[in-house]
Amino acid sequence: AQSVTQPDIHITVSEGASLELRCNYSYGATPYLFWYVQSPGQGLQLLLKYFSGDTLVQGIKGFEAEFKRSQSSFNLRKPSVHWSDAAEYFCAAPSNTGKLIFGQGTTLQVKP
Amino acid sequence: GAGVSQSPSNKVTEKGKDVELRCDPISGHTALYWYRQSLGQGLEFLIYFQGNSAPDKSGLPSDRFSAERTGGSVSTLTIQRTQQEDSAVYLCASSLGGGVTHNEQFFGPGTRLTVL
Repeated sequence: AQSVTQPDIHITVSEGASLELRCNYSYGATPYLFWYVQSPGQGLQLLLKYFSGDTLVQGIKGFEAEFKRSQSSFNLRKPSVHWSDAAEYFCAAPSNTGKLIFGQGTTLQVKP
Repeated sequence: GAGVSQSPSNKVTEKGKDVELRCDPISGHTALYWYRQSLGQGLEFLIYFQGNSAPDKSGLPSDRFSAERTGGSVSTLTIQRTQQEDSAVYLCASSLGGGVTHNEQFFGPGTRLTVL
């Protein structure tokens, strides 16, 4: 079955430090992959997506993600974290009907 | 409006009552999805509409849950005889097309349902 895994439930980084959130997927074909962010009390907002071509994808708010087929990974990165980045982050991929299969989510805490 | 809207934003109900949750997708989006977000369960798919038909209802947890979509637009999720385990945030999303696609799903702000 298709699955998306985020190994880290909670991550804490200092403001200004770099960030990497991990995501692993299990698929047969080249997948479409998404990263969404959810701020407290808000809906989900798309940060970036991969569907073909360049394996390094740029998104909004200074985020980027790299698709690595050999590692079945699509990790999210940001060079310098801001306090406003504190939120919950979800990696997701569509199933054959288009419904999104989400990872468990990673909660990011930013220390001042 | 420009985005997906959901109403009500909050709903408190008593166990055993029926509730209706509404979703207004982005105009022109043919695909509409309902998800549920609860503590310990993460984000779960409930049902997918393409136009007015629902080719994937596999996520509906029981026959107390039903949904419809009319005019290829507004959708209503109905929960009958609510139970405490139905307490969650119900999220609606829409996209230009369904199926395996890179089309972004745009999410509404959700309806927080509390069953007492």
